[in-house]
Amino acid sequence: DIQMTQSPSSLSASVGDRVTITCQASQDISNYLNWFQQKPGKAPKLLIYDASNLKTGVPSRFSGSGSGTDFTFTINSLQPEDIATYFCQQFDNLPRTFGGGTKVEIK
Amino acid sequence: EVQLVESGGGLVQPGGSLRLSCAASGLTVSSNYMSWVRQAPGKGLEWVSVIYSGGSTYYADSVKGRFIISRDNSKNTLYLQMNSLRNEDTAVYYCARDHGRPPWDVWGKGTTVTVSS
Repeated sequence: DIQMTQSPSSLSASVGDRVTITCQASQDISNYLNWFQQKPGKAPKLLIYDASNLKTGVPSRFSGSGSGTDFTFTINSLQPEDIATYFCQQFDNLPRTFGGGTKVEIK
Repeated sequence: EVQLVESGGGLVQPGGSLRLSCAASGLTVSSNYMSWVRQAPGKGLEWVSVIYSGGSTYYADSVKGRFIISRDNSKNTLYLQMNSLRNEDTAVYYCARDHGRPPWDVWGKGTTVTVSS
């Protein structure tokens, strides 16, 4: 199975800050990586697919980069509505696997 | 509008069975890869199973031999038959479109399964 190591597990930042989350795959997954946002009691919401493609309708302050084994997710100017948990996910191989999640809070 | 709606969750005793449904509108279940994903209380996301458009099925090791994924093309509905349930199967279960453009862009709201005596 491909292990997805996501860090940090939580972070606290101020409104307007740049926030960066990393995800490392245990083997090469090319660009078969998604980033999701999940708010309490809600289903995950796709933000970034294929490592760097912004889903239509998602604010441009969200971005993703990387390929192979190392990936980065960035929120360029943190907004209060971005408070959520963020997950990476590889869909190169079965079983699909998710990172452990990053809980983003406002300082 | 593309929509997935899960149902069938509830409270069940260990060793019991439950069948979850995922009714689709705006997309054709049989033309897509469709997955089940679960989330235990306070935990992360765990992929459970997928059914490919061609009908092949795959499972996480944690549910292999106990869960069965299927679909009814006439009802445009995805199912998850869960047998021999364990306490650790307690979770919110989501259905999602696995491969699409973009991938994993459609999720249901989830249905809660509680396994407890």
